[in-house]
Amino acid sequence: QQQVKQSPQSLIVQKGGISIINCAYENTAFDYFPWYQQFPGKGPALLIAIRPDVSEKKEGRFTISFNKSAKQFSLHIMDSQPGDSATYFCAARWGAQKLVFGQGTRLTINP
Amino acid sequence: DAMVIQNPRYQVTQFGKPVTLSCSQTLNHNVMYWYQQKSSQAPKLLFHYYDKDFNNEADTPDNFQSRRPNTSFCFLDIRSPGLGDAAMYLCATSSQQGTNEKLFFGSGTQLSVL
Repeated sequence: QQQVKQSPQSLIVQKGGISIINCAYENTAFDYFPWYQQFPGKGPALLIAIRPDVSEKKEGRFTISFNKSAKQFSLHIMDSQPGDSATYFCAARWGAQKLVFGQGTRLTINP
Repeated sequence: DAMVIQNPRYQVTQFGKPVTLSCSQTLNHNVMYWYQQKSSQAPKLLFHYYDKDFNNEADTPDNFQSRRPNTSFCFLDIRSPGLGDAAMYLCATSSQQGTNEKLFFGSGTQLSVL
């Protein structure tokens, strides 16, 4: 199954809180799992990415947790800020150049 | 510094009237992609070029075609747009050099079909 399931569809978090977005997949051939951030009227931009041989990757306030046995991975945004309000897409790569995206999560950070 | 440039930003066409969307890049990347993104949905890959090699997704309608005359430019042609083709069309590039897998997206062209 070339599919990535993402939840929740929308998320509201208070400023300073932790935002958590989850993704699940079936295809064990996926070998690269990026997260993209998209602001209204803009194309997606790479935020952070992980490979399946690593269980966690952290870049600043953004952390990916990866559970290979459960085929799940999640994005954690610590100390969430209003500027983090955007749509977030998880994705997975299969084949040399093919990226499949999750359905997206619209994140709103309330001041 | 715009790296992946899409023109126009907004495009309005009539039902059945051919339309062409354009994409250019200053990154000298060898792979270029076209994605379709409908409102509140994930981007969906239509096709991609690896250098001059064209790779069509199995479920991309025949109505959609693409041209890549050189490394820098790529075009999306919709031969007979239907109402269901109204969407944001995103162009992206990647270098596929070593382990660099990052996609660089343009800002997209919002297509309306009347």
